[in-house]
Amino acid sequence: NAGVTQTPKFRVLKTGQSMTLLCAQDMNHEYMYWYRQDPGMGLRLIHYSVGEGTTAKGEVPDGYNVSRLKKQNFLLGLESAAPSQTSVYFCASSKETGGNQPQHFGDGTRLSIL
Amino acid sequence: SQQGEEDPQALSIQEGENATMNCSYKTSINNLQWYRQNSGRGLVHLILIRSNEREKHSGRLRVTLDTSKKSSSLLITASRAADTASYFCATPTSGTYKYIFGTGTRLKVLA
Repeated sequence: NAGVTQTPKFRVLKTGQSMTLLCAQDMNHEYMYWYRQDPGMGLRLIHYSVGEGTTAKGEVPDGYNVSRLKKQNFLLGLESAAPSQTSVYFCASSKETGGNQPQHFGDGTRLSIL
Repeated sequence: SQQGEEDPQALSIQEGENATMNCSYKTSINNLQWYRQNSGRGLVHLILIRSNEREKHSGRLRVTLDTSKKSSSLLITASRAADTASYFCATPTSGTYKYIFGTGTRLKVLA
């Protein structure tokens, strides 16, 4: 039982390049989330999904897009990477009644934009 | 300040001592959660306390919730070097299933 798996673990991009971060969960959770973590800022919600085929904006959605084509996968895309998007990205998932359920996190993707 | 702020920002104690960290929030909540993050890893859920609960225990962890003061505390008793980590509280935003995480307390337990 792997839980939440994020790929890749590390990536360096040049400004303007695009990439997709993949999150996969094997717990049959309905809710999935993408956060970014910056020093002194805590975790900030980028986008989230309450079920397959649905997505919604979080706190800091600009510059990112997401897709949830399959229940177990939640993809985060950067269309044109900027240095301000250098961060550690975490994916999380929770059960259907997400409001009172713990979130399960992956180990993060460390992304540097040069 | 944002919803769910931890205090202190950093704490250094000797092994065997107790560690207490606090979380304050602004809006009404139906539950509050505490998470731990080891260096270079994702967050791990520790405990969830509902708004109708005042205290909850899990092993060496004790969490209290005071809804009148909009605050919670996490106590780790008899701390160990392995407890060295950052600790975050998370509170739900009103009317949604989204959670707001604080900036965390960095705990260092010295052997």
